Amino acid sequence: KAGVTQTPRYLIKTRGQQVTLSCSPISGHRSVSWYQQTPGQGLQFLFEYFSETQRNKGNFPGRFSGRQFSNSRSEMNVSTLELGDSALYLCASSLALAGLTGELFFGEGSRLTVL
Amino acid sequence: AQSVTQLGSHVSVSEGALVLLRCNYSSSVPPYLFWYVQYPNQGLQLLLKYTTGATLVKGINGFEAEFKKSETSFHLTKPSAHMSDAAEYFCAVSEDDYKLSFGAGTTVTVRA
Repeated sequence: KAGVTQTPRYLIKTRGQQVTLSCSPISGHRSVSWYQQTPGQGLQFLFEYFSETQRNKGNFPGRFSGRQFSNSRSEMNVSTLELGDSALYLCASSLALAGLTGELFFGEGSRLTVL
Repeated sequence: AQSVTQLGSHVSVSEGALVLLRCNYSSSVPPYLFWYVQYPNQGLQLLLKYTTGATLVKGINGFEAEFKKSETSFHLTKPSAHMSDAAEYFCAVSEDDYKLSFGAGTTVTVRA
């Protein structure tokens, strides 16, 4: 059974650009959650999608957005990149809403560097 | 909203010694509680979870945690540390709106 796949694994952008990250969940999983991980702030919840609907959202500015497709694959987009957006972005999938099951399966992350 | 606090950002133990990672939560209702582990350059992996029932929960790799409602704690232990236990550990709590919130993490180093 394939795990959660995130692409790209590494990317470098400059300030002001935008970036799109992709996440393919485990087959059969309908929930996809996104987290930002930085040394200073730790793991911060971005948003969760379930059946193509955003079910929960963290405290991030509107520059951070996401969506989920009918096959449960998800993308997140960050526009007008800032230096502080440099981080490891983790995607996790679960059968149901993350808080219901608690059992999230994480990808290896996309490491974004903003110069 | 619920939150979780991990006491100690770094823990160093000798190989074979007890591993104890502390986690306290704030909640007015019984929470769901979890421990995750993150090895270098990897995503997080679920170690164990408490939902209802037995308060002593056993997980993978010899770890266990005990839910103590009176102390609002969910500490993680392993009787004998192994070099492969070196990683970052996260406590997490499920909030009322089914959002999962993580603690700040505790990095464990194991001395030979």
